[in-house]
Amino acid sequence: GEDVEQSLFLSVREGDSSVINCTYTDSSSTYLYWYKQEPGAGLQLLTYIFSNMDMKQDQRLTVLLNKKDKHLSLRIADTQTGDSAIYFCAVGKQAGGGADGLTFGKGTHLIIQP
Amino acid sequence: EAQVTQNPRYLITVTGKKLTVTCSQNMNHEYMSWYRQDPGLGLRQIYYSMNVEVTDKGDVPEGYKVSRKEKRNFPLILESPSPNQTSLYFCASSLARTSGVGSYEQYFGPGTRLTVT
Repeated sequence: GEDVEQSLFLSVREGDSSVINCTYTDSSSTYLYWYKQEPGAGLQLLTYIFSNMDMKQDQRLTVLLNKKDKHLSLRIADTQTGDSAIYFCAVGKQAGGGADGLTFGKGTHLIIQP
Repeated sequence: EAQVTQNPRYLITVTGKKLTVTCSQNMNHEYMSWYRQDPGLGLRQIYYSMNVEVTDKGDVPEGYKVSRKEKRNFPLILESPSPNQTSLYFCASSLARTSGVGSYEQYFGPGTRLTVT
């Protein structure tokens, strides 16, 4: 089955850019998502990208997809203390998860240094 | 307000005592799913449902049951809970895959933290 890998922790200074990386194994994954989980809360969809795209930008968020290397990244510009959370990469073959569900990475804890 | 609700949010129980965690969504979504989140393991899918009376196993279904008698509700049932089911549980819903534009997001509930002693 699909395997999604992320590093567990990332520490950045406030105001710097954060780059969270994710790799996956199934090249037929079509829908790739980034979710944010704040302490004590559920998961919130941040952004998504389709496999026919290389990049997607949404305000401070930039998603890059390298299909050849099966590598997805999330860049957060001008990182703020409110960005402190766990970020999950998730991939699937169908919109909304569908019958196969989504395969999630283990999550990256983003730690903001003042 | 579009949302997924779960109850209870916190539950401490003993081994073998049957329990049900409810999940309800008000978005008329066809697809619903249960995940468990454990430290170092991320989210793993327990069961999912494509529509009323249609359910199927996810990656870690052992020890769990579900039912989908109504579109809005998708309860998770632990017939005989064991300590290895201590976890944080999330319910999620989305439009089904054939729904076209706007069907890409899974909406998650706030989570239910279950402790089995």
